[in-house]
Amino acid sequence: DVKVTQSSRYLVKRTGEKVFLECVQDMDHENMFWYRQDPGLGLRLIYFSYDVKMKEKGDIPEGYSVSREKKERFSLILESASTNQTSMYLCASSLYPGLAGFNEQFFGPGTRLTVL
Amino acid sequence: AQKITQTQPGMFVQEKEAVTLDCTYDTSDPSYGLFWYKQPSSGEMIFLIYQGSYDQQNATEGRYSLNFQKARKSANLVISASQLGDSAMYFCAMRELGNQFYFGTGTSLTVIP
Repeated sequence: DVKVTQSSRYLVKRTGEKVFLECVQDMDHENMFWYRQDPGLGLRLIYFSYDVKMKEKGDIPEGYSVSREKKERFSLILESASTNQTSMYLCASSLYPGLAGFNEQFFGPGTRLTVL
Repeated sequence: AQKITQTQPGMFVQEKEAVTLDCTYDTSDPSYGLFWYKQPSSGEMIFLIYQGSYDQQNATEGRYSLNFQKARKSANLVISASQLGDSAMYFCAMRELGNQFYFGTGTSLTVIP
């Protein structure tokens, strides 16, 4: 059974703290993604990684950084958390597009982060 | 310009009836994939159905079908025989060859008993 796991379902942090969100997949996928989801805005891409140690900025990278030292793990880092980063964070993974098609994403359960 | 547009923020459907959720997309690539995901109130994103741009036939998966109209750049999701468990947010997404996925803002579907 394919699986994407995230380190926490709920997290409460204080303004200015450094926050780490971890995502692990067991499907040997090359691509991994971090999104934030806010009501009425859908999913917005923060960063994605198409392979180990590779990363690309998404639509809203400001205030975030990422790390991918191993294929199965993709970490999202909030260097100095702010209240406007209170949101649901979703991690996903997928294979590269290939002959079989464009390959769907598999999502983790999400982390609901509250920054006070 | 928006890559994916979902114009219906909320929809209601009677149980056992069919419902169509609209999705239009914007791309100049000849090769791309279209996806629909379901997000129940519990929050997990569940993949429902996929359509490749070169697929000749509309995709179907059980009660889900994708009405793909390439010239109109639309990829509407049709749910037949709605069930109470279909109440959820539904997201349309597109993937081009650049690996990134683009999502719409979602449609909230409520199934009425």
